[in-house]
Amino acid sequence: EAGVTQFPSHSVIEKGQTVTLRCDPISGHDNLYWYRRVMGKEIKFLLHFVKESKQDESGMPNNRFLAERTGGTYSTLKVQPAELEDSGVYFCASSQTRDGGYEQYFGPGTRLTVT
Amino acid sequence: LAKTTQPISMDSYEGQEVNITCSHNNIATNDYITWYQQFPSQGPRFIIQGYKTKVTNEVASLFIPADRKSSTLSLPRVSLSDTAVYYCLVGARFSGGYNKLIFGAGTRLAVHP
Repeated sequence: EAGVTQFPSHSVIEKGQTVTLRCDPISGHDNLYWYRRVMGKEIKFLLHFVKESKQDESGMPNNRFLAERTGGTYSTLKVQPAELEDSGVYFCASSQTRDGGYEQYFGPGTRLTVT
Repeated sequence: LAKTTQPISMDSYEGQEVNITCSHNNIATNDYITWYQQFPSQGPRFIIQGYKTKVTNEVASLFIPADRKSSTLSLPRVSLSDTAVYYCLVGARFSGGYNKLIFGAGTRLAVHP
């Protein structure tokens, strides 16, 4: 069974540009989460989808970040316009609903560098 | 969510047993204790979860005393490949619901030859 995949693995963009990160969860997992780690900080929760619905957006830093999950399958996280402080590693995770979502399966992350 | 405290780093040698203790003095009745492992350039990986007493799986054991104010992750006979950051997380487990994971700084374990 394929795990959580993320694309791209690395992205280097200039300040003010737009970047879109993609996450493909494990097939059949209704829950999809985005997290990020900025330099020297701890991994922080961004948001959570159940199927195509946003359940919790409390971690989204500001309105430059837009997450979507079309049809309850893959998800995208768009940063527009990117700022220097957005640099970090963005992780996606998915889980099944039946176990409460505490065992989450993480992707390898996308390393975003804003210059 | 209960705050957790764990050592910043630990060193061990191949073949030794490693015990990482996590303090969670304010743990609530509904809270479970979960440990994740993270290798460099990878996302965190679930290791084990427990509520009380002892839980064991093919990777590790989790010891939780009766007062549940602390827990100990035990890794038997570590190898170089166990070098990673280990996170202790505490939170409620909702059936049919979800949990956003709250990560702390974790414990950086270095296993030496």
